[in-house]
Amino acid sequence: GAGVSQTPSNKVTEKGKYVELRCDPISGHTALYWYRQSLGQGPEFLIYFQGTGAADDSGLPNDRFFAVRPEGSVSTLKIQRTERGDSAVYLCASSLTPADTQYFGPGTRLTVL
Amino acid sequence: AQSVTQLGSHVSVSEGALVLLRCNYSSSVPPYLFWYVQYPNQGLQLLLKYTSAATLVKGINGFEAEFKKSETSFHLTKPSAHMSDAAEYFCAVSKAFGNEKLTFGTGTRLTIIP
Repeated sequence: GAGVSQTPSNKVTEKGKYVELRCDPISGHTALYWYRQSLGQGPEFLIYFQGTGAADDSGLPNDRFFAVRPEGSVSTLKIQRTERGDSAVYLCASSLTPADTQYFGPGTRLTVL
Repeated sequence: AQSVTQLGSHVSVSEGALVLLRCNYSSSVPPYLFWYVQYPNQGLQLLLKYTSAATLVKGINGFEAEFKKSETSFHLTKPSAHMSDAAEYFCAVSKAFGNEKLTFGTGTRLTIIP
């Protein structure tokens, strides 16, 4: 079946702009996660959804970052007033339940000029 | 808090030689431990996971890892390296009984020498 998909695959923006990154989880997966991977680093947790609600948003770096999952499926990560330090690969993962294996998408590479 | 440390950001082995990638963890609660592999321009793929059943865990592509509580280690091994094993490998930890957020190490890039 289809895996986790993320769009766009690449996004280039200018400092100060607003961006939205989309994640389509595996069908039927109730848990969805966002991670951020900076160059040369491992992925860092941002936020986790169980259904429509954010169960843990402790990894969001500041209030410029926000994520939604209004119908419990697709999720959008929103970044306001982007900064050059936001440049990274943003990874999405989903799992059938929170106790199950997380399956990762290919990521969105965000470049802030 | 939980963390993992991967010793060696780059490891090179000859084709057919033993692969050993090191991971040590720190956790105040019983951990679940994972190894993921990332091929160029692809997403992370789960190799294997430890969830407190058997301490020796077998994964895909001939990899295995052993959970050693006394050494707080979860090293990844493969008896005979193949060219297709060249990739970035990440060790990760989460809390047992609540596999929510994963905390990853910084990764080890494995190069296979023909």
